[in-house]
Amino acid sequence: SQQGEEDPQALSIQEGENATMNCSYKTSINNLQWYRQNSGRGLVHLILIRSNEREKHSGRLRVTLDTSKKSSSLLITASRAADTASYFCATAETSGSRLTFGEGTQLTVNP
Amino acid sequence: KAGVTQTPRYLIKTRGQQVTLSCSPISGHRSVSWYQQTPGQGLQFLFEYFSETQRNKGNFPGRFSGRQFSNSRSEMNVSTLELGDSALYLCASSLGRGMNTEAFFGQGTRLTVV
Repeated sequence: SQQGEEDPQALSIQEGENATMNCSYKTSINNLQWYRQNSGRGLVHLILIRSNEREKHSGRLRVTLDTSKKSSSLLITASRAADTASYFCATAETSGSRLTFGEGTQLTVNP
Repeated sequence: KAGVTQTPRYLIKTRGQQVTLSCSPISGHRSVSWYQQTPGQGLQFLFEYFSETQRNKGNFPGRFSGRQFSNSRSEMNVSTLELGDSALYLCASSLGRGMNTEAFFGQGTRLTVV
């Protein structure tokens, strides 16, 4: 079963705009990871944020984590058409050895 | 450094047959996990192997099995295939046990059961 819910399910923006995706989860976590998937291909790892971190940056990506609200957000700044993909959050529980994925956000960046 | 390699990329099988999928993790990674992705159920955890031992198993029937070899390569097997087994099967490798570090995924094997 899916632990997380992602919001929105779909997002369409213009190139150059920022895109924000949200993820909520239910249990205590060790870390939360964000992935990108292009058209049913493999998952590309974007960023990992640990439960004791609040914010992390990687290039045009900014991830926040609020463990009190059990939520995370992924911000992509200055989006490009090549950012068009599905984005998934995945949580690693404190006592588990699996990733539990959200349902994903389909991002479309129009040129 | 080579990424995670999954073979084959595509498979078409008939109901009732069995199938074996292969995954070669990133060199030095000892943990291999398998996931099933379908439009209806999303990404679901199948199992994790570390040091040739299954460490965790998801909620799948016994028709789904796997193993890991001493070189960390892993295979998963699905017996008595059903139409509902049609999915993208993804393998992930990580450095240590569990998901305390980044997990890197292969391109997946697209299985179609007819």
